[in-house]
Amino acid sequence: AQTVTQSQPEMSVQEAETVTLSCTYDTSESNYYLFWYKQPPSRQMILVIRQEAYKQQNATENRFSVNFQKAAKSFSLKISDSQLGDTAMYFCALYSGAGSYQLTFGKGTKLSVIP
Amino acid sequence: KAGVTQTPRYLIKTRGQQVTLSCSPISGHRSVSWYQQTPGQGLQFLFEYFSETQRNKGNFPGRFSGRQFSNSRSEMNVSTLELGDSALYLCASSISPPSTDTQYFGPGTRLTVL
Repeated sequence: AQTVTQSQPEMSVQEAETVTLSCTYDTSESNYYLFWYKQPPSRQMILVIRQEAYKQQNATENRFSVNFQKAAKSFSLKISDSQLGDTAMYFCALYSGAGSYQLTFGKGTKLSVIP
Repeated sequence: KAGVTQTPRYLIKTRGQQVTLSCSPISGHRSVSWYQQTPGQGLQFLFEYFSETQRNKGNFPGRFSGRQFSNSRSEMNVSTLELGDSALYLCASSISPPSTDTQYFGPGTRLTVL
């Protein structure tokens, strides 16, 4: 069974500052995919960033970047220049294929950006 | 390109009733997955369909069922509703089997069971 753990239930950051959200995972598969999704108060789940496990280079999308440590099974999300619109629940998710065809989600981190 | 759409957005039912939720994937997407989101359990996988075939099912009772049509639209049904079925039900679609593509989510259907 695969698991995803987000150890920070809530975090806050000042506007324009940088914040890092933590995620650890466990899977026995060698080929898998990791995602960060954002769910603002409107409840629409939005993809933030995606990382393929076979790629050593960390994924980056504008102000969002990840620190992917495969050996440590760690996948943290860094948000630079935080904006008020970044206030949301952030979910780390793992997909390992191998016939499972499902995303396994962490419990989420509630991020508040303070003006 | 239009996103994933789910209908209805809100639903109120009473215990013992049944409910059908609908999901229309992004045009060209053939895989549809369903998730249940509750404050206590978080996001849990219900089932996944690809080309009208259910390929995997999560750990939910048989009261939860689904299907996919030839146009990739999907429905999920919950029979004999219980209070604990109150949740946000999310549908996600992807072009091909999720191993090679990202799942995009709809806005969800908020089900309240009284």
